[in-house]
Amino acid sequence: QKEVEQNSGPLSVPEGAIASLNCTYSDRVSQSFFWYRQYSGKSPELIMSIYSNGDKEDGRFTAQLNKASQYVSLLIRDSQPSDSATYLCAASLRGSSTLTFGKGTMLLVSP
Amino acid sequence: GAVVSQHPSRVICKSGTSVKIECRSLDFQATTMFWYRQFPKKSLMLMATSNEGSKATYEQGVEKDKFLINHASLTLSTLTVTSAHPEDSSFYICSASPGPNHEQYFGPGTRLTVT
Repeated sequence: QKEVEQNSGPLSVPEGAIASLNCTYSDRVSQSFFWYRQYSGKSPELIMSIYSNGDKEDGRFTAQLNKASQYVSLLIRDSQPSDSATYLCAASLRGSSTLTFGKGTMLLVSP
Repeated sequence: GAVVSQHPSRVICKSGTSVKIECRSLDFQATTMFWYRQFPKKSLMLMATSNEGSKATYEQGVEKDKFLINHASLTLSTLTVTSAHPEDSSFYICSASPGPNHEQYFGPGTRLTVT
């Protein structure tokens, strides 16, 4: 059974710090990985996608993928209170757009 | 780019009536659309996957006769909740994908309340 695991949190960080969110997946043939942000009462919003091993940076966000360890992470630099949300990690198989979601990690950034 | 709209954003209906929710991809063609529901403080639950022009694939435990899905074009999918009951009250979210190996882009969601 395909699974994506995340620590539910909450992860609390002070404003300006780096928030590190982690995710592991069980299916070795997963190929594409995504991070979504979901504010309370809202729908998920795509932040990053990553397909190959290594780092991918976009503004304050860096996604990291290690397929050998089946590990995906999201770093948020200079965290802001507006980053407080639940972050969902998701994976899909080659040739599919169906996503397996983790349960999400709640991030709280305190001013 | 990659905007998905949903209508209505909120709906209140009486028990026993049917409600239709529309999902549109505004600036891309969506070969696949997905329907999720989410209860308060719970995870997203995939209900069904639909490909344009073919029947939807429902997840285990989702009643296909109760949740009717139509994906008539590459930019429009509809979810009809038939004979709604209070336990169907939830946040229904659609997403759309341009194709395999691509991201899913989510609509803003529809909050359904059945009285």
